[in-house]
Formats: sequence, C-alpha cells, structure tokens
Amino acid sequence: RKEVEQDPGPFNVPEGATVAFNCTYSNSASQSFFWYRQDCRKEPKLLMSVYSSGNEDGRFTAQLNRASQYISLLIRDSKLSDSATYLCVVNTGTASKLTFGTGTRLQVTL
Amino acid sequence: GAVVSQHPSWVICKSGTSVKIECRSLDFQATTMFWYRQFPKQSLMLMATSNEGSKATYEQGVEKDKFLINHASLTLSTLTVTSAHPEDSSFYICSARDPAGQPQHFGDGTRLSIL
Repeated sequence: RKEVEQDPGPFNVPEGATVAFNCTYSNSASQSFFWYRQDCRKEPKLLMSVYSSGNEDGRFTAQLNRASQYISLLIRDSKLSDSATYLCVVNTGTASKLTFGTGTRLQVTL
Repeated sequence: GAVVSQHPSWVICKSGTSVKIECRSLDFQATTMFWYRQFPKQSLMLMATSNEGSKATYEQGVEKDKFLINHASLTLSTLTVTSAHPEDSSFYICSARDPAGQPQHFGDGTRLSIL
C-alpha cells in the first residue's frame, strides 16, 4: 500500500464549478499535512497546510480527519488558472521528510 | 519569502557523463536540504537528505556512490549524478527547510536528459 494515495484524475470541470480532492495516508504517526500545487514541468509550490480543525484560504478549504487518515481539498468557483496537479503531502515527523502522493490532475475549462 | 535556487535548470548530455546540480538557499541558512526525483506522471520521490557538515542520508534503493551529495556550507548542497545513463533522465528537485519552521521551500528543479 502506498504511504499517500490520491485519485490521479484527471478531473475536468467547467469554470465556476466546485471540485473536491481526497487523499489517504497510511502512517498514523504522521504529524503535518499539506497540499501542494505543481504545474507541468515546474517545482511544487505550497498551496496550504492542513489542520485538524479545517482551514480555509479564499476559495480553498482543506480538512483533515486523523481517525480516518483522510485529507481533503475543496476548490470553489474554479478558475482556468487552477488547472494543475494537486499533491497531497504528509510529514511523518522524521527529520522533516515529506512523502508525496502521485497527485490529482485538475483541468478547468471554459 | 525564503528562496531556493537550483542550477542548472536543464541539462542534456551523453551517456557516461557526470552531472552536478547545485541547490542554494538564498536568504536563509539551511542545515538540511532534500533531493527528490520525479519521473513523468509519477510522484516526487525522496532520494536523500543532505546534512551540512556530515554525510547524507540516502533512501532505500538509492545508490550513494551513484548520486554523490555534498553539503559543505549552510547555503549550498550539490548532487552529482556520476556516469549518468539514459535511465537517470528525470526531473531532480531540491528543497530546504527554513529554520523558522515548515514547510520546505523547493528549487525550480533540474531536467536531466541523458542521450
């Protein structure tokens, strides 16, 4: 079983749609959780951290369920510029090592 | 914000060549840097953790004699792919942890193509 699992997609949605991505992780000792965004042939960029209480940043909402070892990302009012691959990332706390999911590809269309 | 610079961004060379990639933290000191590799349509995979002033820690399955890591200063780590072959062609990305806290800051990546 992979340490971090994501649906690879692609998710094709029209502009203005709401889309949700899910991620599960296998290590119950994981301590920190993040969503990164990666554009084609570019480095990953931090989108947001994920907290147990849930957190929101503009159109983006992230949630964590430790009991189910599940993380989600909700994007409201999708923009064309949101098209990218979204990476679920987990830090197990060992020397700050990050484990990346394979990513979920989002394509927002007109 | 914290910036990590990676150089070169693109390398094309013949099989058997050794290639050095540099990773610099521009506005903070990084005692720990990380080297990742990403094959097409796959996830980033951690290759090794680079520790300033000491030996790097390699992940299982990564040959330390093949991928030489040097972290001689608090702002520079280098990865040398020795005697590169076509199967080493990949996207190599470094990151550094800002001592002020998480998360890691990534370099722009180096696209390595071995002919």
